Amino acid sequence: GQQVMQIPQYQHVQEGEDFTTYCNSSTTLSNIQWYKQRPGGHPVFLIQLVKSGEVKKQKRLTFQFGEAKKNSSLHITATQTTDVGTYFCAAYNFNKFYFGSGTKLNVKP
Amino acid sequence: NAGVTQTPKFQVLKTGQSMTLQCAQDMNHEYMSWYRQDPGMGLRLIHYSVGAGITDQGEVPNGYNVSRSTTEDFPLRLLSAAPSQTSVYFCASSYQGTGTYGYTFGSGTRLTVV
Repeated sequence: GQQVMQIPQYQHVQEGEDFTTYCNSSTTLSNIQWYKQRPGGHPVFLIQLVKSGEVKKQKRLTFQFGEAKKNSSLHITATQTTDVGTYFCAAYNFNKFYFGSGTKLNVKP
Repeated sequence: NAGVTQTPKFQVLKTGQSMTLQCAQDMNHEYMSWYRQDPGMGLRLIHYSVGAGITDQGEVPNGYNVSRSTTEDFPLRLLSAAPSQTSVYFCASSYQGTGTYGYTFGSGTRLTVV
């Protein structure tokens, strides 16, 4: 199946610091989606990237899709305690969405 | 607007028992799927359906059956529960299975097999 590797597995930051998670694939992706899962909750859809080199912003969150469409990143500027959770990327291939293993973000106040 | 509803929220089974996890959506989504989530392994696709009457296997289908008789419902059946099936199960739906729409997830079923 479609393999998407996500790093890092864990990230601990002080409130106000920035955070980045990376998603990498060995094959070209048609698109990539990002989800957030709060502790004890379910994944919630954040955004989808489709075009090569695409950059989208949602307030303090910046999403990028690589030029070769093999990698993507999510950057959070000035983290807040409300950003705590696990962030997943998901790649689509032939009717199936394959999720990365996620990056668990902990924000210390 | 309920979205995706999963029942039960928690379940404890004995090894060898069978059960059905229920999933229903009221958004008229064509695409539905089941994932299991285990620590450190992300979400792994069990089965999916692109429409009523059509189902297919995902990454980890062994030990599970599905059916899709209506657009709204997509139950997951555990045939003979094993401790390795202890996990959190999520049902998710999307407007279409073309990869151009995000998933809406249910709140999950936490299953323990003893």
